[in-house]
Amino acid sequence: AQSVTQLGSHVSVSEGALVLLRCNYSSSVPPYLFWYVQYPNQGLQLLLKYTTGATLVKGINGFEAEFKKSETSFHLTKPSAHMSDAAEYFCAVSDLTGGYQKVTFGIGTKLQVIP
Amino acid sequence: SQTIHQWPATLVQPVGSPLSLECTVEGTSNPNLYWYRQAAGRGLQLLFYSVGIGQISSEVPQNLSASRPQDRQFILSSKKLLLSDSGFYLCAWSAGKSGNTIYFGEGSWLTVV
Repeated sequence: AQSVTQLGSHVSVSEGALVLLRCNYSSSVPPYLFWYVQYPNQGLQLLLKYTTGATLVKGINGFEAEFKKSETSFHLTKPSAHMSDAAEYFCAVSDLTGGYQKVTFGIGTKLQVIP
Repeated sequence: SQTIHQWPATLVQPVGSPLSLECTVEGTSNPNLYWYRQAAGRGLQLLFYSVGIGQISSEVPQNLSASRPQDRQFILSSKKLLLSDSGFYLCAWSAGKSGNTIYFGEGSWLTVV
């Protein structure tokens, strides 16, 4: 069974500082990995995803994530935090189970950006 | 382009009353459809998924049911709501392959009083 662990349910950074949100996964097959962002009272929006190929994936709003198979990790980073980055971030892993695409999400990390 | 809509956006219902949340997808055919519930600190819990009309699978036993009367319509229902059914409900769709993105609706806040 696949699973996702997000370390740190709350992360605070200063504006302009590095953002690092951690995600580790467990999957019995080569994983497809996603990061989503959720603003208050809204649905989830895709930030980036890894399927195959280059292990460093660039997404929207200056975010990127690196797939490290040896560490079973897919951490999300952004060099310089902006106030508008304050939101909740979800890591997810996907595979085909029983003929449908099953996506398992982590519990989420709330990012606070301090001016 | 594809779009997904769900409604109502907010709902306040008394305990024991029925529920119907509706979701429709446009611009694609034969999508995988999903209902998730989100609770604070618990991430997203998959409630139901559907790979085709009339084909519904449940991930967790509960007071809710789902139906897919048309290819791009997915309905979440309950005959009698419980207080524990309160939460933020999200409908989503994907093309169904492992690497496909799952796209989410705007969400529906349900408060059972």
